[in-house]
Amino acid sequence: AQKITQTQPGMFVQEKEAVTLDCTYDTSDQSYGLFWYKQPSSGEMIFLIYQGSYDEQNATEGRYSLNFQKARKSANLVISASQLGDSAMYFCAMRGEDSSYKLIFGSGTRLLVRP
Amino acid sequence: ETGVTQTPRHLVMGMTNKKSLKCEQHLGHNAMYWYKQSAKKPLELMFVYSLEERVENNSVPSRFSPECPNSSHLFLHLHTLQPEDSALYLCASSQESFTWAETSRGSQETQYFGPGTRLLVL
Repeated sequence: AQKITQTQPGMFVQEKEAVTLDCTYDTSDQSYGLFWYKQPSSGEMIFLIYQGSYDEQNATEGRYSLNFQKARKSANLVISASQLGDSAMYFCAMRGEDSSYKLIFGSGTRLLVRP
Repeated sequence: ETGVTQTPRHLVMGMTNKKSLKCEQHLGHNAMYWYKQSAKKPLELMFVYSLEERVENNSVPSRFSPECPNSSHLFLHLHTLQPEDSALYLCASSQESFTWAETSRGSQETQYFGPGTRLLVL
């Protein structure tokens, strides 16, 4: 069975500093995808970044980067130069290689950026 | 209009009411999803439509009835709901690959979500 674990229910970071949100996953699939989403208090789930299991380089999207360590089955999100607008819930998710369309979500980490 | 839109954004209904949630995607995608997000619970996949056919139904009670009239629109019809059905209902869409070569790497199909409907059942 596939599983996503986010061990940090809440985190604080000072504005302009970098922060790492942890995500570990469990799967027996050879091919899989890892996603990070941001959910502000408004409720919308905003796609941030994707990492494929066969991608050799860590994914980056602007201030977001994914620290992918395949052997450790971890896919941590790094946000550089935090902004007040980064305060939100962050979800790690995984999708396996079958065609079941299922996206498995973690329980999320609430990030609060302090001014 | 861009992305995935949902209406209404907020809904309060009694247990005997009938209401419908609407989702529209403007991304040209071929798959659409309904998710339920309750407080302190992970996001739960409810229904999946691919090419307008339902391909997944995760043991959802019959008081929730989905409808997908075309690839751009998805509805969730609600009737005789219970207070525990109060939650945020999120719609999503994605562009799915259907060739084996692509599907074997197909985990990259990103799902894009709408803003959600906050439902309160009294």
